[in-house]
Amino acid sequence: AQSVTQLDSHVSVSEGTPVLLRCNYSSSYSPSLFWYVQHPNKGLQLLLKYTSAATLVKGINGFEAEFKKSETSFHLTKPSAHMSDAAEYFCVVSDRQSNYQLIWGAGTKLIIKP
Amino acid sequence: GAGVSQSPSNKVTEKGKDVELRCDPISGHTALYWYRQSLGQGLEFLIYFQGNSAPDKSGLPSDRFSAERTGGSVSTLTIQRTQQEDSAVYLCASSPERAADTQYFGPGTRLTVL
Repeated sequence: AQSVTQLDSHVSVSEGTPVLLRCNYSSSYSPSLFWYVQHPNKGLQLLLKYTSAATLVKGINGFEAEFKKSETSFHLTKPSAHMSDAAEYFCVVSDRQSNYQLIWGAGTKLIIKP
Repeated sequence: GAGVSQSPSNKVTEKGKDVELRCDPISGHTALYWYRQSLGQGLEFLIYFQGNSAPDKSGLPSDRFSAERTGGSVSTLTIQRTQQEDSAVYLCASSPERAADTQYFGPGTRLTVL
């Protein structure tokens, strides 16, 4: 069965330093992988998605993620954190086995220190 | 253009009462999803509609939960005899077609059962 594990429930970084949010998945089929962001009191927004094209995916707001099949990982990174990046981030997997339903990780809360 | 809208934004009810939550998907989107997000958790799939096909109800937690989609557009999620554990944010999403993967989320309805 598919699953998504976000390895950190909270990540705290200083403004201007790199961000790494870790995600591991399990999937028996070629998965589609997503990162969504949820700012406080706002709706979920798609950051980026991987669907079997280039393994390095660039998203909005300077975020990117790399699909590593051998490690079953899809970690989210950003070179330099901004205060506005403070939010909850969700890693999501979807594949044919799940009937293309989205399987969600538990989320990682990103805290930005001034 | 208009995104996914949901109403009400907040609903407070007493245990045992019935509630109805409404979702207006993006015009032209054939797929519609309902999710539940409990505090500090990822999203839990509830139900999925695709065009005129029978809905996928595999995520509904009990027979107190039901949903319908009229005319292939607006959807209503009904919770009968609400319980305190039903308290959560209920999110609706739509996508252009079943396998398109990218889902567009509404702002959610925060349900509080006293």
